[in-house]
Amino acid sequence: DAKTTQPPSMDCAEGRAANLPCNHSTISGNEYVYWYRQIHSQGPQYIIHGLKNNETNEMASLIITEDRKSSTLILPHATLRDTAVYYCIVRPNAGKSTFGDGTTLTVKP
Amino acid sequence: GAVVSQHPSWVICKSGTSVKIECRSLDFQATTMFWYRQFPKQSLMLMATSNEGSKATYEQGVEKDKFLINHASLTLSTLTVTSAHPEDSSFYICSARGGTSSPKSSYNEQFFGPGTRLTVL
Repeated sequence: DAKTTQPPSMDCAEGRAANLPCNHSTISGNEYVYWYRQIHSQGPQYIIHGLKNNETNEMASLIITEDRKSSTLILPHATLRDTAVYYCIVRPNAGKSTFGDGTTLTVKP
Repeated sequence: GAVVSQHPSWVICKSGTSVKIECRSLDFQATTMFWYRQFPKQSLMLMATSNEGSKATYEQGVEKDKFLINHASLTLSTLTVTSAHPEDSSFYICSARGGTSSPKSSYNEQFFGPGTRLTVL
């Protein structure tokens, strides 16, 4: 599975958009970009995934660069409950998820 | 999304005893289940992958005789920590993935359980 690089931490003001970057320069053609988050002492929660097109769901938007070497997860209106560790994972559709260190997002009032 | 449960949510045991953790997919059939371990302030580490009816595949460095995994049905996998010691204290998380017979919402997606906190005294 391709390795990902994420900033260790980010802050965001409540109500503002949170933009979380992820670099995956060694991604293969059959690998998807997945985003999960983990709130303290809970299991990871699926957020969104994509292959090459931008994706949006009720939780977030995923922007993947044309060369697929990086992506950005956007939480459009961050709330205090979005404070969590966010993991970017690249894997084949039926592959296993290997977690890196993720980004600790802190949403501040 | 699909629901995965774990039981118990926490357990405290004495050193030398064995502990069994259950992972169930509640509304879909999980052809593959994954077991992860997470130490405080660290990321999730994949321990093993199990397919229904087959022996589990363990990641490098994980003792298969210590961490027994059984995936006897499409909705249940168990992890047994044998002869537990204080260094086995950790947060254990399972994940289930639906197969081709599962609804599209769970097909090939990984859904995670809430985790089990194991403390070995």
